[in-house]
Amino acid sequence: AAGVIQSPRHLIKEKRETATLKCYPIPRHDTVYWYQQGPGQDPQFLISFYEKMQSDKGSIPDRFSAQQFSDYHSELNMSSLELGDSALYFCASSSGGPGNNEQFFGPGTRLTVL
Amino acid sequence: AQKITQTQPGMFVQEKEAVTLDCTYDTSDPSYGLFWYKQPSSGEMIFLIYQGSYDQQNATEGRYSLNFQKARKSANLVISASQLGDSAMYFCAIKGYGGSQGNLIFGKGTKLSVKP
Repeated sequence: AAGVIQSPRHLIKEKRETATLKCYPIPRHDTVYWYQQGPGQDPQFLISFYEKMQSDKGSIPDRFSAQQFSDYHSELNMSSLELGDSALYFCASSSGGPGNNEQFFGPGTRLTVL
Repeated sequence: AQKITQTQPGMFVQEKEAVTLDCTYDTSDPSYGLFWYKQPSSGEMIFLIYQGSYDQQNATEGRYSLNFQKARKSANLVISASQLGDSAMYFCAIKGYGGSQGNLIFGKGTKLSVKP
């Protein structure tokens, strides 16, 4: 069965650079969630989209923005990167809106900021 | 708002034995879901088991079972017949159904080490 695809899997950036992370949800899934997991931490919710509209916002810095496109894939744009942005970024998808149960996680993008 | 508490930062278990990972929760939503995820050292988040707040029976999935005690607000994960491959971080998470929010709130996790 198709799973959530995230690209790139690994990314190395310098401070103050920008980064774009991509997420391709499971086919026919209309809801996408982004989570950030710092080293040794639990995943923290950043932002979610349902039917291409932002549905909820968590602890996402103002330097970050995201959107969901017409084909339901989503991109997380990160600017003015800081050392503290080094983390594992997960995308998860579900169908039927935010109220549905299951969220399927992608393999994550490991971002390292030097 | 929801909150998950996992009080065991690390656990050891002998191979082939059963182990219980603790999880307590707090929520103001009358309807909610509880999840357990496994995160091996490779980093991926693997869904293990789900329990709905109105489910009458405790959830089971193979060697995983969820000991759901609603009055105590606990949702402990029981792994039977531990295997070396079970060594990983385990996260308990909650999702409320009271509003438009659909995101998961995670606990701090428990690192399980299975000894041969």
